[in-house]
Amino acid sequence: AQSVTQLDSHVSVSEGTPVLLRCNYSSSYSPSLFWYVQHPNKGLQLLLKYTSAATLVKGINGFEAEFKKSETSFHLTKPSAHMSDAAEYFCVVSAGNAGNMLTFGGGTRLMVKP
Amino acid sequence: SQTIHQWPATLVQPVGSPLSLECTVEGTSNPNLYWYRQAAGRGLQLLFYSVGIGQISSEVPQNLSASRPQDRQFILSSKKLLLSDSGFYLCAWSINSGGYGYTFGSGTRLTVV
Repeated sequence: AQSVTQLDSHVSVSEGTPVLLRCNYSSSYSPSLFWYVQHPNKGLQLLLKYTSAATLVKGINGFEAEFKKSETSFHLTKPSAHMSDAAEYFCVVSAGNAGNMLTFGGGTRLMVKP
Repeated sequence: SQTIHQWPATLVQPVGSPLSLECTVEGTSNPNLYWYRQAAGRGLQLLFYSVGIGQISSEVPQNLSASRPQDRQFILSSKKLLLSDSGFYLCAWSINSGGYGYTFGSGTRLTVV
């Protein structure tokens, strides 16, 4: 079994300040982990993924995430928020089980204030 | 390169009417295909997935059904829509092995009135 918990349903930051979106996971297998972003009424776009290579993963738009096995965490960060970063973010785990299915966290809505 | 097409983008249907949402993938063979629903203010719920033609697995009991008549075509249907079927429906595909994540379609906003 696997699960994902996004610790904050809403995060609000000012433009130019750092972003931290927290994610904890549980998995019976060696997981693959992903962050997706969804802008209003749009599909989901892959930001970055961890698949057992380097624990610090760099993604698009300046985002990165660090896989910490001891803490079962995969937090998403960005040094400086931009207005266009305002969106919903989903942390996702895949344990490579039947059907290659993903388990989604509940999402974190990021608001960026000018 | 691979692309995924999902249509229509928006749909307003009366209660009790039928539904057909279509999703097609190009540029790959034998993909895993998925239908997700996202209700307002909530996360994503896996409805169906398919690992091959004619192979459909259902994750949540409901009045929806899915079919895969061709390798790269995935259809979500209902004979009679309920108000609770309103939501944002997303189709996705992945390669048939490993944890490489999904590529999502642009979604269909369904409003049942």
